[in-house]
Amino acid sequence: AQTVTQSQPEMSVQEAETVTLSCTYDTSENNYYLFWYKQPPSRQMILVIRQEAYKQQNATENRFSVNFQKAAKSFSLKISDSQLGDTAMYFCAFTRDDKIIFGKGTRLHILP
Amino acid sequence: EPEVTQTPSHQVTQMGQEVILRCVPISNHLYFYWYRQILGQKVEFLVSFYNNEISEKSEIFDDQFSVERPDGSNFTLKIRSTKLEDSAMYFCASSAGTLIDTQYFGPGTRLTVL
Repeated sequence: AQTVTQSQPEMSVQEAETVTLSCTYDTSENNYYLFWYKQPPSRQMILVIRQEAYKQQNATENRFSVNFQKAAKSFSLKISDSQLGDTAMYFCAFTRDDKIIFGKGTRLHILP
Repeated sequence: EPEVTQTPSHQVTQMGQEVILRCVPISNHLYFYWYRQILGQKVEFLVSFYNNEISEKSEIFDDQFSVERPDGSNFTLKIRSTKLEDSAMYFCASSAGTLIDTQYFGPGTRLTVL
């Protein structure tokens, strides 16, 4: 079975702090892509960051970075200098063939 | 920046009625997808579409569902006879190039079945 597990249903951090969202996944494939999507209250799905599984270097996108541990099938998201606008639901996902498989999400609250 | 658009943003319908959800993918994209998110739950894959035919579909995508690309720009999801449990947010996505390229999501259509 291909699954994505996000063990933190909800998190709260103070503005400007750094927060790490955890994600583990299970696949038997060797080549796949991993994603973090953000879903604000508007419920739109916004791509935050993407990682190709064949690349060892961790992806970064401004304040967002990942810690990709392929052997452990772990893909955590680090948000540095968190901002109020980062408040949202965050979904970890991976893709193979024609579809994206999502985790259940982590609801992140950034507190002023 | 090009984006995926969806209409309507919210659709309310009576149980048993047919609904058509519309999407305009990013213009140079070749792969199209529909996903569903029941309130409070995770996003689930419904169907992928390439070269005018379904590439893959989930077990959710039963005979009540169909997809179509009626012209060069629109991509539609039709639910023939809606059920209460079809109430959800429906997301369209598109990707360029390969099957595992990044999928860009539209803003979603909230479907409410009464």
